[in-house]
Amino acid sequence: NAGVTQTPKFQVLKTGQSMTLQCAQDMNHNSMYWYRQDPGMGLRLIYYSASEGTTDKGEVPNGYNVSRLNKREFSLRLESAAPSQTSVYFCASSEVDGGRGYTFGSGTRLTVV
Amino acid sequence: GENVEQHPSTLSVQEGDSAVIKCTYSDSASNYFPWYKQELGKRPQLIIDIRSNVGEKKDQRIAVTLNKTAKHFSLHITETQPEDSAVYFCAASPSSVSGGSNYKLTFGKGTLLTVNP
Repeated sequence: NAGVTQTPKFQVLKTGQSMTLQCAQDMNHNSMYWYRQDPGMGLRLIYYSASEGTTDKGEVPNGYNVSRLNKREFSLRLESAAPSQTSVYFCASSEVDGGRGYTFGSGTRLTVV
Repeated sequence: GENVEQHPSTLSVQEGDSAVIKCTYSDSASNYFPWYKQELGKRPQLIIDIRSNVGEKKDQRIAVTLNKTAKHFSLHITETQPEDSAVYFCAASPSSVSGGSNYKLTFGKGTLLTVNP
C-alpha cells in the first residue's frame, strides 16, 4: 500500500520547456488535488478533481493544465514553464465524505531557470 | 472563496511548555478544520481534525478548539518536545458538492514551531 506516489521528485527546466508531473493513489479515493508550496505562502490549490471525469480550477491555475486519467491517476502539466513556477508541488487525495483528511504525496521540487 | 489567516508565523518555546496556534476563517459554510504537521523536507501529515458539530477534540498532547460564532479555531500542544518542532498548517473546507466535508481545503500560511531543549 504505497498511498500517493508522485514522480519525479526533482526536476530542473529551462524557461519555455514543458513537463508533466505524475500522481497516482492506491487508496480508492474519489478526490485528487494539486497544490504548490512556496516559502511563506502555505499550500495553494492549483487544480482539483472531485471525482473521476471532473476537474476544476483552484486558486492559482494559470499556466497549468490537468488530466484525471482514471480514478487512480491525476497529472499536472506545465506547457511553457516560467521561473515563477519554481516551487514544490504536492499531489493529494481524499474521500469526499468523511474520511481522515488528505493523504499527500512526497512532493516534486521543480526549478525553472 | 475561503480565506484562512494563521498566527503566529513563528513560535519558539522551551521544552515542556505549551504552544498555541490560532486560525481564523472567512466562509461560514466551512465545516471541517484539519491541522497538518510538516517536518523539514517532508510531506504534510494530518495530526488532528475537527468538524463543526464539535467544540473541542483531544488526542494525547494535542487538542483543537473551534468557535464557529467567531470563526476561529486553535491548536494546543502541551508538554512540548523537540520532535514537535515543525511547520504546522491549519485548513478549512466547505461542504462538498455531495454534501460531505473534507473537500478542497484552503490552508493557512503556516507556523514554524521551534521547541528548544
